[in-house]
Amino acid sequence: QQQVKQSPQSLIVQKGGISIINCAYENTAFDYFPWYQQFPGKGPALLIAIRPDVSEKKEGRFTISFNKSAKQFSLHIMDSQPGDSATYFCAAGFYDKVIFGPGTSLSVIP
Amino acid sequence: GAGVSQSPSNKVTEKGKDVELRCDPISGHTALYWYRQSLGQGLEFLIYFQGNSAPDKSGLPSDRFSAERTGGSVSTLTIQRTQQEDSAVYLCASSRGLAQHGETQYFGPGTRLLVL
Repeated sequence: QQQVKQSPQSLIVQKGGISIINCAYENTAFDYFPWYQQFPGKGPALLIAIRPDVSEKKEGRFTISFNKSAKQFSLHIMDSQPGDSATYFCAAGFYDKVIFGPGTSLSVIP
Repeated sequence: GAGVSQSPSNKVTEKGKDVELRCDPISGHTALYWYRQSLGQGLEFLIYFQGNSAPDKSGLPSDRFSAERTGGSVSTLTIQRTQQEDSAVYLCASSRGLAQHGETQYFGPGTRLLVL
């Protein structure tokens, strides 16, 4: 009920391509779905977040798509750049804590 | 300081020793979270403080782990009788309110703990 699944574990994308990371959750009570970006040696930083009352949210090159009925949400990075190479964590909020997925290591190659 | 600070940045200790990790949240932030990140793993929630309410300790992995938050500000995570499996990066985060209500969590740089 509390688990957040994330795939793929690692992803290699060419510069200019689209990076897609998928997450799934089980608990329908979750009402907050953030994505975090983490560079090596740094703490995670909030990238973008969505609530279940919207199906899509876009900020610059980053878009979250949300499918409430399927209990899935995904992050799309358009025009991926080498500077986007990092680990990405999806998360879901329930009561007073956010549960993180295991992370996706993204490498954008020139 | 402008961000969340943690100390020490690195800690090496011997198995069986106790360690204390400190977190200074952003001033005015009422919510404080502790997470653990093991090598190659995702973030694991440990404990959460919100204002003066009793903390949610449901994520603490064992009774060797404890945390307190004094005066609603600085927090200390204590690990007693450390074990090698405790080796990880311990991250602290704070937010103005509940992250679930849209408040951004700001993470500190973490404390890298190595138990020999």
